[in-house]
Amino acid sequence: DAGVTQSPTHLIKTRGQQVTLRCSPKSGHDTVSWYQQALGQGPQFIFQYYEEEERQRGNFPDRFSGHQFPNYSSELNVNALLLGDSALYLCASTPQLDRDYYNEQFFGPGTRLTVL
Amino acid sequence: AQRVTQPEKLLSVFKGAPVELKCNYSYSGSPELFWYVQYSRQRLQLLLRHISRESIKGFTADLNKGETSFHLKKPFAQEEDSAMYYCALSGRRDDKIIFGKGTRLHILP
Repeated sequence: DAGVTQSPTHLIKTRGQQVTLRCSPKSGHDTVSWYQQALGQGPQFIFQYYEEEERQRGNFPDRFSGHQFPNYSSELNVNALLLGDSALYLCASTPQLDRDYYNEQFFGPGTRLTVL
Repeated sequence: AQRVTQPEKLLSVFKGAPVELKCNYSYSGSPELFWYVQYSRQRLQLLLRHISRESIKGFTADLNKGETSFHLKKPFAQEEDSAMYYCALSGRRDDKIIFGKGTRLHILP
């Protein structure tokens, strides 16, 4: 099992453009979370997908949207890119266990987005 | 407000010396606390979690609810401990994780 995989590894865009990042969860996991990690900061929660629906959302504008497919893979879309969107975007997957159990999240290697 | 504070951006410790990485949190309720680690050129991974009460790679962390702290400790630092460490919390029935800004631990030979 390759664990959580993300593509592409690196991406360069210009302001105003749109970008799509992709994530495949670890085998046996069905919940996908996305995080933004700016330089020198800890990861910040963007949103989480389960059963193809957005279940939770952090403090990010509507320019950030996502999707989950029937095979549990997920996409993160960012419209109207700003310079401040430059960051490492992390995907994490979680097995769907009993809701009282604090699940470990398994992280992918990230996609480095640079907005010029 | 839900917040995790790691006051040190960088901590340099000599090999064999004790290590303590500080973490304080703010949360209304009873969160689960974690330490995540990122070694050079590797992905972010879970080091330990409060609920497990385990010692991983010689590290332990004690939850002090009175001081709202979850400091990470190791009695004798090793060179392979050099990495970026993130303290984090998650709420009950709430899978999102709130991370601190991280502390870079540098073990000196």
